[in-house]
Amino acid sequence: AQSVTQLGSHVSVSEGALVLLRCNYSSSVPPYLFWYVQYPNQGLQLLLKYTTGATLVKGINGFEAEFKKSETSFHLTKPSAHMSDAAEYFCAVSDRQSGGYQKVTFGIGTKLQVIP
Amino acid sequence: SQTIHQWPATLVQPVGSPLSLECTVEGTSNPNLYWYRQAAGRGLQLLFYSVGIGQISSEVPQNLSASRPQDRQFILSSKKLLLSDSGFYLCAWSEGGTSNQPQHFGDGTRLSIL
Repeated sequence: AQSVTQLGSHVSVSEGALVLLRCNYSSSVPPYLFWYVQYPNQGLQLLLKYTTGATLVKGINGFEAEFKKSETSFHLTKPSAHMSDAAEYFCAVSDRQSGGYQKVTFGIGTKLQVIP
Repeated sequence: SQTIHQWPATLVQPVGSPLSLECTVEGTSNPNLYWYRQAAGRGLQLLFYSVGIGQISSEVPQNLSASRPQDRQFILSSKKLLLSDSGFYLCAWSEGGTSNQPQHFGDGTRLSIL
């Protein structure tokens, strides 16, 4: 069974400061990992994904994440927070199930507050 | 490019009334389709998924049902809504037969039951 743990349901950073959102996963097979962002009353938007290859993955809006197998982590970072980054962020792990569908397990989300 | 449409954006319904939420995908064929419910502080709960027309799998027992009458159409229904059905409902699609591609989400429906 796969699972995702997001440490910190709420994170506050100052504008211009480093953003670090933590995600640890559990999976019985090599995982596919994703980060999504959700703005109020909107759907989830893909920020970045890790499937295979380079372990440092760059996404949209200046975000990046590093897959660390030894630590079973996929933390999301951004060097300098912007006010528009205030949103909820979800980490997700994917594993293929029998029947051909993609089972994705989402973390409970981390709300990012950016303080001016 | 692929797009996903979900409607209505908001809905207020009395307890005991029926429900129909619709989701359509454009620009792809034979997608996997999903219905999620999102409650505050609980992340996303998968309700139903479909790998093809007429093929529906339910993840949790409830008074909701789903149907896929066409390849790119996914409908969430209920005959009688309960107060506990309130929430934010999200439709999503992914490429069929793969697990390394992300799911893509619609803008959601905010359902309030009175």
